Amino acid sequence: KQEVTQIPAALSVPEGENLVLNCSFTDSAIYNLQWFRQDPGKGLTSLLLIQSSQREQTSGRLNASLDKSSGRSTLYIAASQPGDSATYLCAVRPVGSGNTGKLIFGQGTTLQVKP
Amino acid sequence: ETGVTQTPRHLVMGMTNKKSLKCEQHLGHNAMYWYKQSAKKPLELMFVYNFKEQTENNSVPSRFSPECPNSSHLFLHLHTLQPEDSALYLCASREQRDGEQFFGPGTRLTVL
Repeated sequence: KQEVTQIPAALSVPEGENLVLNCSFTDSAIYNLQWFRQDPGKGLTSLLLIQSSQREQTSGRLNASLDKSSGRSTLYIAASQPGDSATYLCAVRPVGSGNTGKLIFGQGTTLQVKP
Repeated sequence: ETGVTQTPRHLVMGMTNKKSLKCEQHLGHNAMYWYKQSAKKPLELMFVYNFKEQTENNSVPSRFSPECPNSSHLFLHLHTLQPEDSALYLCASREQRDGEQFFGPGTRLTVL
């Protein structure tokens, strides 16, 4: 059974720091991995999608890497800002999910960036 | 704006009430999803619809009844819920192949 773990559960950093959020998954048989952002009480915003054949994706100050064989992904945030404060969720789409597109989520890392 | 809308945004209901949650996607996607997000737990997939057909029911109690009349609309009908059903209910949509899932803002449900 696929399980997704995110460490740390919470992180507080001063503004301007570069930081790394970690995601690990137990079964390397995945189609893709997706990173989301969730603001308190709100829905999820898709940040980056990495296909299983890819090693990384970049969008602005965000860079996500994928090492499928070791079951790991990292989300790198450069020059963090207070507006980056949110919960970051990692989700994998396991092989065997067929055409459902089913995602398995981690519990998230709650990030606070202090001015 | 994600292109996925949900109404209502907040709902308070008693255990004997019947209510419905609505989701609409304006992205031309053909797969739609209901998820439940409870405090301190990962998002849980509830239902999946592809081309209006239900393709997954993740052992959801029958007091939750989904309906997908077309590829753009998804409903979740609620009846005789329990207080532990209080949660944020999220709808999402996706293109059929390897596309990203896009989420709506959610409905915050409180069952008294």
